[in-house]
Amino acid sequence: ETGVTQSPTHLIKTRGQQVTLRCSSQSGHNTVSWYQQALGQGPQFIFQYYREEENGRGNFPPRFSGLQFPNYSSELNVNALELDDSALYLCASRERGGDYEQYFGPGTRLTVT
Amino acid sequence: GNSVTQMEGPVTLSEEAFLTINCTYTATGYPSLFWYVQYPGEGLQLLLKATKADDKGSNKGFEATYRKETTSFHLEKGSVQVSDSAVYFCALVSTSGTYKYIFGTGTRLKVLA
Repeated sequence: ETGVTQSPTHLIKTRGQQVTLRCSSQSGHNTVSWYQQALGQGPQFIFQYYREEENGRGNFPPRFSGLQFPNYSSELNVNALELDDSALYLCASRERGGDYEQYFGPGTRLTVT
Repeated sequence: GNSVTQMEGPVTLSEEAFLTINCTYTATGYPSLFWYVQYPGEGLQLLLKATKADDKGSNKGFEATYRKETTSFHLEKGSVQVSDSAVYFCALVSTSGTYKYIFGTGTRLKVLA
């Protein structure tokens, strides 16, 4: 069974640029969530995708957007990057329903300069 | 809204000491509760969970009991090891709506040999 994978591992971007982060969910998991974890903080929920549609969103502006594909993999896109977007971005997948157990990927470390 | 409060760290213990990390929550309804662990440079790993009142989650010597009357889910371990050094996150997921996870800010544990 393959776990959640994310790419790239690290990324450095300049303020104002756009970035795309990728996530492959664990086998059999059809729901994907994205989280932002600033240094020294707990993860903050960005949004969740199920059946290729966003079905929940946290307090993040519209320049944070996403996609889910038929194979349940997902992308997080961030436009007009700001310095405060520097963080670890975590993807998590789970089966719909059940015990709501979520399994996290290793994360992508984004640095905005 | 839903929230999770954890004791502030860092917590520094000697090997074989007893560990308690406090976690309290505020939520409507009957959330599921989780403890995740994050080792340096890695994503989050599910440590244990409890889905209803009085449930006890346990794994790798760690335990936590879902106490609805005190809205708490304290993490305990009878004898810590150096390898337990990590950041521990308490989290809840509401069992209605979008099922997003709410995390605490994390508690860093350092175990000295």
